[in-house]
Amino acid sequence: QKEVEQDPGPLSVPEGAIVSLNCTYSNSAFQYFMWYRQYSRKGPELLMYTYSSGNKEDGRFTAQVDKSSKYISLFIRDSQPSDSATYLCAMVTGNQFYFGTGTSLTVIP
Amino acid sequence: NAGVTQTPKFRILKIGQSMTLQCTQDMNHNYMYWYRQDPGMGLKLIYYSVGAGITDKGEVPNGYNVSRSTTEDFPLRLELAAPSQTSVYFCASSRGLPPGEQYFGPGTRLTVT
Repeated sequence: QKEVEQDPGPLSVPEGAIVSLNCTYSNSAFQYFMWYRQYSRKGPELLMYTYSSGNKEDGRFTAQVDKSSKYISLFIRDSQPSDSATYLCAMVTGNQFYFGTGTSLTVIP
Repeated sequence: NAGVTQTPKFRILKIGQSMTLQCTQDMNHNYMYWYRQDPGMGLKLIYYSVGAGITDKGEVPNGYNVSRSTTEDFPLRLELAAPSQTSVYFCASSRGLPPGEQYFGPGTRLTVT
């Protein structure tokens, strides 16, 4: 069983839609939870991170963590064509990061 | 600040050759990481360092070596390249805990034939 599971998609939505991206994990020792965005042929860039269960908002993005279910989500409101990218979840225990495989998102104008 | 820089951008190696992937950061970050990214497989941690002179293995260290003689530089050495090492390699750095503030370089695309 992988440490982190993420549906690879691809996901295609119309502009303005609400997007929901999800990851599940098996290791209850994970302490920090992150979402990265990766444009084609670029390095990942951090979007959001949290260390507790609950919601965290940043503009159009909301990160949600449910430690009891070992489930994290990223919601994107009012999606834009510029949001088209691969979204990676990541989790940390100690000094080690574990990444999901990424979900490819396309927002159609 | 240039952030995290990696060289080269692309490289083709023959089986059995060796090479060093360079990584430099100018943010005075203590933590540095090397990942490989294969299609559909996500990012896998190869090695990491929590400071100059300190390195440790990640999830997939076999076939690689690292050193950290300065805060700024964290080179990754491939000895006896194999086709299984064909991948995109990313270097990253962060200040430390909490580790979320990780900055990635642009990557090196390596093909071993």
